[in-house]
Amino acid sequence: NAGVTQTPKFQVLKTGQSMTLQCAQDMNHEYMSWYRQDPGMGLRLIHYSVGAGITDQGEVPNGYNVSRSTTEDFPLRLLSAAPSQTSVYFCASSYSPLSGRTDTQYFGPGTRLTVL
Amino acid sequence: AQTVTQSQPEMSVQEAETVTLSCTYDTSESDYYLFWYKQPPSRQMILVIRQEAYKQQNATENRFSVNFQKAAKSFSLKISDSQLGDAAMYFCAYLGGGADGLTFGKGTHLIIQP
Repeated sequence: NAGVTQTPKFQVLKTGQSMTLQCAQDMNHEYMSWYRQDPGMGLRLIHYSVGAGITDQGEVPNGYNVSRSTTEDFPLRLLSAAPSQTSVYFCASSYSPLSGRTDTQYFGPGTRLTVL
Repeated sequence: AQTVTQSQPEMSVQEAETVTLSCTYDTSESDYYLFWYKQPPSRQMILVIRQEAYKQQNATENRFSVNFQKAAKSFSLKISDSQLGDAAMYFCAYLGGGADGLTFGKGTHLIIQP
């Protein structure tokens, strides 16, 4: 049971480049989400999904796209990277908060992204 | 929108002593969850303790306990017998009844003095 995995661990991009941050979980969790963490701040929600085929925006969605074709995977896409997207990105998963089951969110190890 | 406030950017405690980290939150919901997460230098987010708002009893996990005051919207974390491995950033987080994820405070940097 690997929990929540993220790849890559580190990434450096140039302004305007695109890339996909990968996230996978093997706990059969319906709910998955992406957060970013900037210095001096807590984590802020980018996008989330309550199940395959369903996604929605969080607090800071601009510049990011997501899709959820399977229960296990929830990739985050940066279409045209900007220096303001330099951050640490965390993926998390849990049982659906709408299901009535325990909804503690479990986090991946994070990806440190630098945009030059 | 919910907000979470951690008023102590940094706390320092001697090893084996007890320390309390403060957290207040603002919400209009009656049913929600509160969490404390620990983030060591490895940056992994580790769940320390959780509290369901409908439970009056304060949650406890070994050396970690909370003081949950629902009317005051306060959720402090007490760490007893502090150990060097407790040194980390600690984040208070709120989860409401909807599907829009956790709301985090800005964190408290806990330093353990040997």
